[in-house]
Amino acid sequence: QQQVKQSPQSLIVQKGGISIINCAYENTAFDYFPWYQQFPGKGPALLIAIRPDVSEKKEGRFTISFNKSAKQFSLHIMDSQPGDSATYFCAASMMSGAQKLVFGQGTRLTINP
Amino acid sequence: GAGVSQSPRYKVAKRGQDVALRCDPISGHVSLFWYQQALGQGPEFLTYFQNEAQLDKSGLPSDRFFAERPEGSVSTLKIQRTQQEDSAVYLCASSLVGSTDTQYFGPGTRLTVL
Repeated sequence: QQQVKQSPQSLIVQKGGISIINCAYENTAFDYFPWYQQFPGKGPALLIAIRPDVSEKKEGRFTISFNKSAKQFSLHIMDSQPGDSATYFCAASMMSGAQKLVFGQGTRLTINP
Repeated sequence: GAGVSQSPRYKVAKRGQDVALRCDPISGHVSLFWYQQALGQGPEFLTYFQNEAQLDKSGLPSDRFFAERPEGSVSTLKIQRTQQEDSAVYLCASSLVGSTDTQYFGPGTRLTVL
């Protein structure tokens, strides 16, 4: 059972454009939603995270939008740059009890110069 | 000030061999996690330690997988009698204390079972 579903699998965006990646979750007990960025041969690195008490969080060019009623959240990358080309994973976890991150399947983002 | 380190970075094993993968977490980090990442997929949780205590091992796929963290620092993931389906990248992550503290990932160990 896929608890966190991510789309699209791959995305190509022109330099300067907006990249949008979407995730949906099933378990309403999830209350922490991070996004990770992974370059080839490297481990995932935290990009930005949100908790469900807010609907949006912005850090520089990266914004998370969160819709609790729809159980969906998305990552927006503004002014996308070639250096943003990587695989992005959404994830979810519970602040109490189980500590594990449940990851989406990943989105391979390519920014064309 | 080093991050999470893992060794070896690459491991090739013949089917049926035992392997041991090492994780050195960030100094002072209480929590340690192991994840398995199949090619083209997101990481999947294997097990979690808080100090030396293994609090969750629900993700270990079979009793061939065993993890330990005897002194609450370095951890070892052992896979006995490796199978081809064990081929994956094994990621270790550590965090300061709790579930919403940032998990810092190591570079992973790529295991290939022939």
